[in-house]
Amino acid sequence: SYELTQPPSVSVSPGQTASITCSGDKLGDKYACWYQQKPGQSPVLVIYQDSKRPSGIPERFSGSNSGNTATLTISGTQALDEADYYCQAWDSSTGVFGTGTKVTVL
Amino acid sequence: QVQLQESGPGLVKPSQTLSLTCTVSGASISSSSYYWSWIRQPAGEGLEWIGLIYTGGRTNYNPSLKSRVTISVDTSKNQFSLKLNSVTAADTAAYYCARGFGTTGTTGAFDIWGQGTMVTVSS
Repeated sequence: SYELTQPPSVSVSPGQTASITCSGDKLGDKYACWYQQKPGQSPVLVIYQDSKRPSGIPERFSGSNSGNTATLTISGTQALDEADYYCQAWDSSTGVFGTGTKVTVL
Repeated sequence: QVQLQESGPGLVKPSQTLSLTCTVSGASISSSSYYWSWIRQPAGEGLEWIGLIYTGGRTNYNPSLKSRVTISVDTSKNQFSLKLNSVTAADTAAYYCARGFGTTGTTGAFDIWGQGTMVTVSS
């Protein structure tokens, strides 16, 4: 089965840039999206089709996808960005989520 | 605005069937622009896609659960449902319903999620 691997944790200082990677075989040939999940809340879509932002998502969230790796970048990270982040792609008609990354804003 | 709300028993006995319903408000579930999905998350763990249904009734299931899962839609009630049979403790999780857009298999993503409902499998 297809797997998407993320680092378990990423730490970032306020105002700095956080980069979260998502690795999968030939992931760049697929589309990736990203979800933010805060404790006790449902996931929220922050990036779709590799780099598109849904309405209401701040411009500091951006995405890219090439080769075997998709990347979510949070520029000018704020304390409220502290959350778990999951990538997601499709393996044929099966949805696949990444292992998740906890972003800590120190 | 579009909202999704899960409902169903919070406790299911081992070997029995887990049944959940997702009620969609603020939009018609019959819209051909969207599909409707179930996703689960064990406590402290990651997300697992269970499956989805199109308004015409066609379904896609996670191969790892396919033998035990049925997703159905009731357009008259603007609801879709999940049945997972022969449950074990490993099925204990928060279950989310979600709306999908884009094309499954390529551009698809889930833009609106329910609040989730916790289901515990225990005798």
